[in-house]
Formats: sequence, structure tokens, C-alpha cells
Amino acid sequence: EVQLVESGGGLVQPGGSLRLSCAASGFTFSSSAMSWVRQAPGKGLEWVSTVSGNGGTTYYADSVKGRFSISRDNSKNTLYLQMNSLRAEDTAVYYCARSGGNYFSCWGQGTLVTVSS
Amino acid sequence: DIQMTQSPSTLSASVGDRVTITCRASQSISSWLAWYQQKPGKAPNLLIYKASSLESGVPSRFSGSGSGTEFTLTISSLQSDDFATYYCQQYNSYPFTFGGGTKVEIK
Repeated sequence: EVQLVESGGGLVQPGGSLRLSCAASGFTFSSSAMSWVRQAPGKGLEWVSTVSGNGGTTYYADSVKGRFSISRDNSKNTLYLQMNSLRAEDTAVYYCARSGGNYFSCWGQGTLVTVSS
Repeated sequence: DIQMTQSPSTLSASVGDRVTITCRASQSISSWLAWYQQKPGKAPNLLIYKASSLESGVPSRFSGSGSGTEFTLTISSLQSDDFATYYCQQYNSYPFTFGGGTKVEIK
């Protein structure tokens, strides 16, 4: 069974940093592109970032480019999102998702990031 | 960026109704479109990919159609478990973008 479990969310002050993790199991992690998608409270879905299976290619939404960094450790079957210079508008539930075909075939349960003083 | 516009934003329907949701892209995306269902407090769930391919395990009452800029998601006979919010997503090019969502409510 494919399983994705996010962790690392919490309350952080504006300008602060946070690193999210996503532990994957049930599939060949290194063969699959992975993504982060977020959802602000009461709002729709927003794609954030995608990394290729070997970690060599990354893509970012303009809203996070230069502040967020996606990476992966295929030896640990884990995806990461390093978030720096956080803003109030980054407050959201962050989902990791398997995105082998560029659509999101499997999602984690999400982790809430709240940026507030 | 490719803009995705869903309509309606809210839909009231009864169990057994046939329901259709429309998604329009601001430019051609061929068939690179997916549909998701999301229930309150839960992660989205993939229903359809490549515009009309049914994801494994998804009931056959869900179907998708369209290509280019206009797409539809149809639920042939609405069940109680189908009351949720539905999103379309284009993956023709980065940045991937979602429609604003369609909430299907009980009439």
C-alpha cells in the first residue's frame, strides 16, 4: 500500500524557517517524481514544487521561488521542503504527493504550517 | 501561466442526479488534465487523469471528457459519498495549476 506521511509543520514567526518531511513507503520512491501542494485555510489547492526521481531537476511556483527548496533522500525514502523567509500568506496545509505522471496520484494527510507573530 | 476556470463554484443536487462540472483552460492543454475529489479535513483523491482515464479503484459512475481547452467531469448517478469539492488540474506545463473548485452540496 502506498503511504505518504508528512511531518514538521507548526507555528513559526514571519521571517522564520521550517523544514517539512514526507516519509514514503509502498512504492519505488527513487523512480517517482514527488511534489508539494498546499491549501490555505478555506481556499483551493496550489502547487508549490516538484522534484524529479533522482533529485536533479526541480520546479517551483513563483510565489515560493528563492525562498523554498525541495529535495529528497532516496536512501531514506524521504522528501523535504525547506521553507525560509516565511510570510503570513504561506499559512496552509502542506501535502506531499506522488507525481510520476505530473498528476498527483497519491497524497499524504497533510501538515499545517501557521505563520504568525 | 495557464488559468483553469471551473463552473459552477457550487452545485446543489440530490442522490441519483446526473452531475456535470466544467473546467476551462486559458490555452490548449491537450488532454493533460486531472480531476480530484476532496472531502472536508481530508487530502484530495485522484479520480481521473489524462482527461478521461479512470484511476484504479474509482467507481465507474465518474467519467471525464474533453481536450484542448474544455473539459467535463460527470457523475452519472450521484451517491451520498460523492458530496465533496472537486478540482481540476492541468499538467501540460509548469507551473501546474488548479481550478478554483466546485462544491457539490445536498439539495
